[in-house]
Formats: sequence, C-alpha cells, structure tokens
Amino acid sequence: EAGVTQFPSHSVIEKGQTVTLRCDPISGHDNLYWYRRVMGKEIKFLLHFVKESKQDESGMPNNRFLAERTGGTYSTLKVQPAELEDSGVYFCASSHENNEQFFGPGTRLTVL
Amino acid sequence: AQSVTQLGSHVSVSEGALVLLRCNYSSSVPPYLFWYVQYPNQGLQLLLKYTSAATLVKGINGFEAEFKKSETSFHLTKPSAHMSDAAEYFCAVSERGFKTIFGAGTRLFVKA
Repeated sequence: EAGVTQFPSHSVIEKGQTVTLRCDPISGHDNLYWYRRVMGKEIKFLLHFVKESKQDESGMPNNRFLAERTGGTYSTLKVQPAELEDSGVYFCASSHENNEQFFGPGTRLTVL
Repeated sequence: AQSVTQLGSHVSVSEGALVLLRCNYSSSVPPYLFWYVQYPNQGLQLLLKYTSAATLVKGINGFEAEFKKSETSFHLTKPSAHMSDAAEYFCAVSERGFKTIFGAGTRLFVKA
C-alpha cells in the first residue's frame, strides 16, 4: 500500500512568487493534515480536512496560504505571494478517523 | 491550550547505553501523547502512543514511554542504544487524536 506522498520534494522560489504544494493521502483516509516546520523549530499544525471540508484551520498563518481538497482526495497548499519567513518543511499527514497519522516525507520550501 | 516541552535539543549516548529523552506536556483535557521519529530525508514515523490505557507504553524498535500524570511527563526510554537509533525524536500531544502539537525535537547521536 502506498504511503502519503508529497510533491515536489524541494522548491526554491523568489519572494513574491507563488508556489503550490501537493499531498496525496493514503487511499481511504478521510482525514488530511498539513503541518510546517520552520527553521528547525517545532512542527506546527496548519489545518485539518475531513474529506473536502476544513475541520480546523486554526494554524494557518495568514491569508497568503490557501489549502484545498476538492473531491476529498488529494490536497494542495498554495502560498501567494511567498515571503522569506515561509521557508521551511511542509508535512502532510493522513489518518483514518482519529487513529495514527501517517506522514509524508515533506516538501522543503526555500524562499529567496 | 496544549503544549509540549522537550528538554535538550541534542542528546548524545554511547552505543549500548540507556537512551532517555525527556518530554513534558500541558493539557487541559486528558491527552493523547505520542513519540515520533524522523530519519534523514524521511517523514515522521510513529514510535508509540498513549491514549488513556496502560501508563507504560511499548513501541517499535525497543522504545517505551511512561505516562506520569502527576509530573505531566512522557519520557522516552530505550535500555540499549543502537547506531541505527540516531535520528530526531518528537514528542507530541493531541486532544482527541486530530490536531497534534509537537515539541521542538531532540536529535539523538549514538557514539560507537
């Protein structure tokens, strides 16, 4: 069974540009989460989808971040326009109900 | 609000020695507690979790953790370190298994 996949693995963009990260959860997992780790600090929760609905988006830093999960399958996280402080590793995870969250390898975003 | 504090950003042990990684949490409700491990270039992997059953939790790779409510601690231990245990370890807390709050991580070094 395939695990959680994320694309791209690395992205380097300039300040002001737009970047879209993609996450494909484990098949059948209704719950999908986005987390971010900035500059070696703690991993911070961004938001939680249940199917296509945003269950909790309390961790989204500001309105430059837009997450979608159309159809309740894969999810995208768009940053527009990107700022220097957005650099970090973005993790996606999925779970069946409130069971174990399975994490993807992350997307390392560098904003220059 | 929930929070996690991991004592020590870096821990170094000799191969065969006891591993002890410290974690204290804060939660206004009975918590779910987790330890995750991240190996280089990989996603987070669940080591073990506490969800209000037995206070001594056994995980994969010989790790275990003990939930101590009076001390609000959930320290991770392994009797004998192996070179393959070198990785970054994250303690985490969750209210109901969904939104997860992580500590800053502890990098474990194992000396031959």
